[in-house]
Amino acid sequence: EAGVVQSPRYKIIEKKQPVAFWCNPISGHNTLYWYRQNLGQGPELLIRYENEEAVDDSQLPKDRFSAERLKGVDSTLKIQPAELGDSAVYLCASSHQGDAFFGQGTRLTVV
Amino acid sequence: EDKVVQSPLSLVVHEGDTVTLNCSYEVTNFRSLLWYKQEKKAPTFLFMLTSSGIEKKSGRLSSILDKKELSSILNITATQTGDSAIYLCAMYSGNTGKLIFGQGTTLQVKP
Repeated sequence: EAGVVQSPRYKIIEKKQPVAFWCNPISGHNTLYWYRQNLGQGPELLIRYENEEAVDDSQLPKDRFSAERLKGVDSTLKIQPAELGDSAVYLCASSHQGDAFFGQGTRLTVV
Repeated sequence: EDKVVQSPLSLVVHEGDTVTLNCSYEVTNFRSLLWYKQEKKAPTFLFMLTSSGIEKKSGRLSSILDKKELSSILNITATQTGDSAIYLCAMYSGNTGKLIFGQGTTLQVKP
């Protein structure tokens, strides 16, 4: 069974540029999470989807971050414009019954 | 507010030692507690503990959930250098559907 797939694996951009991350969850998993993880810290939730509905986006900085999950499967997370403080690893996870499996993550560096 | 706290934050041991990592939580409606191992980028799922499954074991790793004390431990026996990683504890809230992470314990196993 294929796991959670994320792309790209790495991204380096200049500040004020846009960037997008893509996630394909495990087949049949209705719940999808986007997390951000800074060095030395645990993952912090940005947004959670149940199917195509964003049920918790309270931690998403909506002035520059946006996300979508069309058709309740793949999801994209966008930052526009990026700031230096956005440098982090962005993790996508999918869940079925109280568990959660992560993709490889995207390491974003904003210079 | 739902919260997960891990201790210690870091730990250095020698090969062959046994280690115990701690996780305590506060939650309004507990559903499950998850343990992950994170070596490079993506957290790798280890165990899920629930009210009906309070003890799990896989090889040298084992975990116990204490619902009365609102805590869990992860034991690793006969540690190896390959056990060096960040160990993350996460709690799934049935009320909010949130998966909340602790800050992690960084384990270093020296030869």
